[in-house]
Amino acid sequence: GQQLNQSPQSMFIQEGEDVSMNCTSSSIFNTWLWYKQDPGEGPVLLIALYKAGELTSNGRLTAQFGITRKDSFLNISASIPSDVGIYFCAGPGFGNEKLTFGTGTRLTIIP
Amino acid sequence: DTGVSQNPRHKITKRGQNVTFRCDPISEHNRLYWYRQTLGQGPEFLTYFQNEAQLEKSRLLSDRFSAERPKGSFSTLEIQRTEQGDSAMYLCASSYRTVGAGELFFGEGSRLTVL
Repeated sequence: GQQLNQSPQSMFIQEGEDVSMNCTSSSIFNTWLWYKQDPGEGPVLLIALYKAGELTSNGRLTAQFGITRKDSFLNISASIPSDVGIYFCAGPGFGNEKLTFGTGTRLTIIP
Repeated sequence: DTGVSQNPRHKITKRGQNVTFRCDPISEHNRLYWYRQTLGQGPEFLTYFQNEAQLEKSRLLSDRFSAERPKGSFSTLEIQRTEQGDSAMYLCASSYRTVGAGELFFGEGSRLTVL
């Protein structure tokens, strides 16, 4: 089946730093989605990417759909305390409604 | 609040008991999904409804699990004869478009602990 691997698994940064994380797949995706999950809550969509090579921003967040369609990157600039949480990439299957989620990147901000 | 609503938020039960979770999707969404999330993992797909029809089921959905969406609105997920391995967060999501075209709106989840 499809697998999405995210790196790094966890990040410890100071407030104000920029963050980069990525997601790689063993197979091609036609859509890449980035979600954030706060403790005890459901995931919330941050950015959706629909075209290879696409670069999309949402405030301080920027995500890119890799040219090979097997990877995606998420960058967060000038991190703030509310950025703490787990970031998941996700992609839909072909011909079905199953969304496959990555392993997650946990972001922690050190005071 | 017009988001996806799930009840109960937390459920503690003894092994062997039956539990039922309810999901009320966003009213205009005809697509409804159930996911399971264990600690330290991403959500895993369980099943999908379009209106009242259950169109996809994961192999994770064993015979002890049953999901319904009788009138195409709210949905229930029942787990019979619970096992400790069923302990997880059960997430419901809804959408008005296929997952390849748009986002899923997730509820806050129902956390199950089986003792």
